[in-house]
Amino acid sequence: GEDVEQSLFLSVREGDSSVINCTYTDSSSTYLYWYKQEPGAGLQLLTYIFSNMDMKQDQRLTVLLNKKDKHLSLRIADTQTGDSAIYFCAESWNNYGQNFVFGPGTRLSVLP
Amino acid sequence: DAGVTQSPTHLIKTRGQQVTLRCSPKSGHDTVSWYQQALGQGPQFIFQYYEEEERQRGNFPDRFSGHQFPNYSSELNVNALLLGDSALYLCASSSPTESGGKDTEAFFGQGTRLTVV
Repeated sequence: GEDVEQSLFLSVREGDSSVINCTYTDSSSTYLYWYKQEPGAGLQLLTYIFSNMDMKQDQRLTVLLNKKDKHLSLRIADTQTGDSAIYFCAESWNNYGQNFVFGPGTRLSVLP
Repeated sequence: DAGVTQSPTHLIKTRGQQVTLRCSPKSGHDTVSWYQQALGQGPQFIFQYYEEEERQRGNFPDRFSGHQFPNYSSELNVNALLLGDSALYLCASSSPTESGGKDTEAFFGQGTRLTVV
């Protein structure tokens, strides 16, 4: 079955880059997503990548996909205290959309 | 546009009771999905409604049921509540196309936090 794994915690200094990693098991995944969840809030879509892409850049965010190793990463450049949140990796595999399998989330703490 | 709205925001129920959670999708969206997020975990897919029918279902027992109304709003019902049903219940709305990706972005509500005592 589908499974998505992430490291649970990451701590960085303000201004440094953050790299959050994710591995998934379903090779038929069509899209891979990164969501952000702040305390007491729902999920906010940060970015996504189609499975036939290797990299996608969106302002401070860079997504790298290694389909052979089923490894996805999210790099946040110039990390700010406002980036402190839980980041979820998710995969989706059907054209009906949005039937996600989420990872457990990585709690990012940004130290001043 | 109010986005996805869920009610109530918080709820406390006793084991064995029944609960109904509500979701209004973002304007223009016709598909509603429900997720359960236990404390410290990622959301788990419960089911998805489209055209008032349950289209897909995750690995949840029949105690979890739902409904979608002609205006696309949706309800999640949970019968015979267990302590383990305590969680944040998230609703996501979308308007899927064949292309997927950004065109099918799901917008999540703030969730309903259910506590079963």
